[in-house]
Amino acid sequence: GAVVSQHPSWVICKSGTSVKIECRSLDFQATTMFWYRQFPKKSLMLMATSNEGSKATYEQGVEKDKFLINHASLTLSTLTVTSAHPEDSSFYICSARDPRSGANVLTFGAGSRLTVL
Amino acid sequence: AQSVAQPEDQVNVAEGNPLTVKCTYSVSGNPYLFWYVQYPNRGLQFLLKYITGDNLVKGSYGFEAEFNKSQTSFHLKKPSALVSDSALYFCAVRGDSSYKLIFGSGTRLLVRP
Repeated sequence: GAVVSQHPSWVICKSGTSVKIECRSLDFQATTMFWYRQFPKKSLMLMATSNEGSKATYEQGVEKDKFLINHASLTLSTLTVTSAHPEDSSFYICSARDPRSGANVLTFGAGSRLTVL
Repeated sequence: AQSVAQPEDQVNVAEGNPLTVKCTYSVSGNPYLFWYVQYPNRGLQFLLKYITGDNLVKGSYGFEAEFNKSQTSFHLKKPSALVSDSALYFCAVRGDSSYKLIFGSGTRLLVRP
């Protein structure tokens, strides 16, 4: 079945630095990927839709300059948290749809836990 | 706008008993409904979906869900709970644009031995 890989699975950084999280579709091509943020004991908040070869579409209230998304190839989307601060600490999860499935099902990565000190 | 509500933060059941995790939805047009499960520090795993057809949908790990249009509900059920079913369960509806999912707040299921 479809597999989505995220890297790193966890990262700790100092306040003010930038962190890049990668999301890869391993056995299929994904023109669209989705980035979610999950707060402790909370639901998943859709941050943005990553579109291959074009600009990402951000959800209302998500700072596009803070959360940079690049979808340079059909198998890779990256989320860069710029000038990270402690409030950016969260669990970030990406997802993608395998177009071969034709079943409207998204496959999720295992998530990346970001801790900003 | 599409939305999903999970009214229970937590559901507790004894192993071997039936379980129900509730979900109601609000959509314009035909609903595309999903259930996902999340284990600690992991991503989400797909359980089942309703797109069209039979109102009773069977999914992974013995779970099933019943689509009820009049009550706008899509409750997740399992006849006999296992301790290993303990996890966080999310109901989701497909958003207005292609394929993005809008999630409910999640329900934590605890199955005690």
